[in-house]
Order: sequence, then structure tokens, then C-alpha cells
Amino acid sequence: KNQVEQSPQSLIILEGKNCTLQCNYTVSPFSNLRWYKQDTGRGPVSLTIMTFSENTKSNGRYTATLDADTKQSSLHITASQLSDSASYICVVSGNNRLAFGKGNQVVVIP
Amino acid sequence: DAGVIQSPRHEVTEMGQEVTLRCKPISGHNSLFWYRQTMMRGLELLIYFNNNVPIDDSGMPEDRFSAKMPNASFSTLKIQPSEPRDSAVYFCASSYDQGALTGQYFGPGTRLTVT
Repeated sequence: KNQVEQSPQSLIILEGKNCTLQCNYTVSPFSNLRWYKQDTGRGPVSLTIMTFSENTKSNGRYTATLDADTKQSSLHITASQLSDSASYICVVSGNNRLAFGKGNQVVVIP
Repeated sequence: DAGVIQSPRHEVTEMGQEVTLRCKPISGHNSLFWYRQTMMRGLELLIYFNNNVPIDDSGMPEDRFSAKMPNASFSTLKIQPSEPRDSAVYFCASSYDQGALTGQYFGPGTRLTVT
């Protein structure tokens, strides 16, 4: 079983709307959690990194939350734009290992 | 900075041939990672180096795969012999201090097709 599960696998949203992506993990011990954005045909780009003590971190219209007790994280996209169409990958680090989710595929339509 | 540089960007080869992928990390970064990405399995870490030394190669699928980092500015990932199931996009990423605080910077990837 994958140590990092992301949901929904894919979603379509209207431009200007908000959406929330979920990441549940079982990695233990926990070091940090990262959200990456991957545009089609490109390498992933880091959006946020959160350690155990951080609950929320923002990067522009992207806001990540972390609940280390329940081992859950979310990535909220505010006022989506067409350029937000991408795959969003959750990566959890612990015990010098990295565990990857398979990504949330987001499509923003006008 | 030019970012992480990978070559070639695309590679098409026949089964059984040797394939060598190349990576130049960002200057000043001391950690380098090789990943493989497929639709079925997503992103997988193959191996990572810290200060040119391999730290974790548990993700390397089998003996057909090997990676080297002869100096701080160059790394190779070699597949010999290649098989159709090796077809994927291979990413190289670099970071400072294993990316714990800053994250990793990914290259554009090499799309490998083995026929």
C-alpha cells in the first residue's frame, strides 16, 4: 500500500473557483511534507514545504495545511486560473526516505 | 542560473541497447536525485547522492540500472541493457542539504522510449 494517498485523482474546475486537494500519509517518523506543481511536459516545482510544527503555509494563491496528528494535508487553490492546470504531487519525508503520492490532476476551464 | 540541465531531452532506443542519461545540477547544490515517472507508478525516487556519495539506492529497480556522480557538477544514470518497461520520463533534481528546507529543483526530464 502506498504511504501517500492523494484525492481526488483528477478534477475539473471553472476558472475563478476555489478547490482543495487532499493528501493522507502513513509515513513515520515524519520530517516534512511538500507540495509540488507539475505542468505537462515539465519537471515538478516546489510550492510549499511544511515541518511538523507548521499548520499552514501559503505561496500566493496556494495554501497548504498540515495536521500531523491525523497525518493529513490539504492544498487549497484560491481563485483558480487557467495556468493552475497541472498535476499536484504530495511528497512526505521521514527517516531519510521520500514517499510520493501519485498526484492530483487539476484542469481549469474557462 | 540555468537550473538543472538534463540531456538528452528525448531518447528512443531499441531493446538491449545501453542508455546513458546525463545531469548537471545547480551550482552550489550538494544533493542530487534521480527519479523515474510513469503514468502507472507516478514519481519514483531511484537514487540520491549527497556530496557526490550515493546515500540511498534502494529505488534502483535492478542491476541493469547504475548511477554515478564523479564530481559535484555531473551525474549519469545508465541502463544496460534497456527493456521496453524502462520507458518513462527520467528526472534529475538537485538541492542544498537534501532539500529539507528548500525543496528540490527538478530538471526538464529525459523522455526515454525503448522499443
